[in-house]
Amino acid sequence: EPEVTQTPSHQVTQMGQEVILRCVPISNHLYFYWYRQILGQKVEFLVSFYNNEISEKSEIFDDQFSVERPDGSNFTLKIRSTKLEDSAMYFCASSVSGGLQETQYFGPGTRLLVL
Amino acid sequence: AQKITQTQPGMFVQEKEAVTLDCTYDTSDPSYGLFWYKQPSSGEMIFLIYQGSYDQQNATEGRYSLNFQKARKSANLVISASQLGDSAMYFCAMREGLRGYSSASKIIFGSGTRLSIRP
Repeated sequence: EPEVTQTPSHQVTQMGQEVILRCVPISNHLYFYWYRQILGQKVEFLVSFYNNEISEKSEIFDDQFSVERPDGSNFTLKIRSTKLEDSAMYFCASSVSGGLQETQYFGPGTRLLVL
Repeated sequence: AQKITQTQPGMFVQEKEAVTLDCTYDTSDPSYGLFWYKQPSSGEMIFLIYQGSYDQQNATEGRYSLNFQKARKSANLVISASQLGDSAMYFCAMREGLRGYSSASKIIFGSGTRLSIRP
């Protein structure tokens, strides 16, 4: 069964460093998302992406964050200068369409630790 | 104001019993979708079940069913015949608003309920 994959599964970085989190959405999906979950807290929406542009972003998604679809398969989240509070699990998700009924399928997540 | 409220931070249930996980939601939009996801200790988010605001019937998927009470704005998940593998965090979530078919509307999650199944 097709699934969303994410790499790396874990990343440890120093505060101020740039990180790139990678995702390969399900191949026929057109809508892509990033969410994050700080340890012990709820899952929070970061950004949605369709047709090579951001569709919606939350207030969390500030200038330190960017997303890109560099080729036909990958979808990346870049954090330019990481802060301690960026430590979280980051989930990529994809869906066939952006319609209300469309299920978003989540990847296994990347656990980011900023020291 | 909370969009999704899950009032049970944790629950313990005996194996093979049925369990109901509560979820209430708040929206003024007539069109919305409700989801339940399971998050085992390994961390991944697993889609379980979906209910649309206009669906007449309660959604069912195997041992999972959604008790949808629209007037009360509740969407409780019922797991029948619980199994040890059901031990996980369960999130209720909502997608609202129609900004056009091409929009990629976000999902809003509740704070989750940690379900533990006792053997």
